[in-house]
Amino acid sequence: DIQMTQSPSSLSASVGDRVTITCRASQGISNYLAWYQQKPGKVPKLLIYAASTLQSGVPSRFSGSGSGTDFTLTISSLQPEDVATYYCQKYNSAPSLTFGGGTKVEIK
Amino acid sequence: EVQLVESGGGLVQPGRSLRLSCAASGFTFDDYAMHWVRQAPGKGLEWVSGISWNSGSIGYADSVKGRFTISRDNAKNSLYLQMNSLRAEDTALYYCAKDMGPGGYAAIYYYGMDVWGQGTTVTVSS
Repeated sequence: DIQMTQSPSSLSASVGDRVTITCRASQGISNYLAWYQQKPGKVPKLLIYAASTLQSGVPSRFSGSGSGTDFTLTISSLQPEDVATYYCQKYNSAPSLTFGGGTKVEIK
Repeated sequence: EVQLVESGGGLVQPGRSLRLSCAASGFTFDDYAMHWVRQAPGKGLEWVSGISWNSGSIGYADSVKGRFTISRDNAKNSLYLQMNSLRAEDTALYYCAKDMGPGGYAAIYYYGMDVWGQGTTVTVSS
C-alpha cells in the first residue's frame, strides 16, 4: 500500500507569513491528490483537487503543487481564519482512498 | 441547498451491528460517487469506504474490509453503511461525503469530496 506522509505534523506561524505543508507518497500517484481544511469542531472542507486545482470559493492565498511523490500546500499569507488542521488525500488507487496524518496550523 | 444528513449512530456493544444512513438532497445523487469517512476522538480523518454512482465500483479501508458493507439507493437518494462485528476502535464520528466525480475503477473518475454531512457518532463499548 502507498503511504502518505505529511510534514510537519504541526506548525506555528505569524499572520502574514507564507506557510508550506508537504505531503509525500511512498510511490508515485501522478496528480491524484486533494487537500482539505478542517477547522476546530467543523466539517472538513475541500481546498484543492488534482494537486493544484483550487476548489470554487477557496481564497486565492491557497495553492497546491506537485506531481508524482511530492506535493505541497501553500498559504501565501496566513490569516487568523486559517487556523485549522490540513489533510492531504490520495485517490490514485480508486476506489480506495487514503488520507495523510494531518498538519495542525496555529497562529504564533 | 446541497445537503447530506447522516443518521443511525449510537452506543453499541462490541461484536454487535449498526446501520448508518445518509440522506442526500439538493443535487443529482446518482451522478456522483459517495464516501464514508470517520474521525476517532482527537484523531485524523480516515477514509472508510466509497461507492461509485452506479454501485459498480466499491472500496473499503483494510481496517473495515469484511465487516462493513456500503450501499446506495439512488431512487431514495440515500447512502448506507452496514457495520458488523463492531470493535472499540470503530468508535468515531462518521461522515458521509459526496465526491465531485462519478467514481469507478479509475482515478480519473474521482476529484475529491466537496460536500460533507455533519456526521453521526458511533460508540462501541460494553
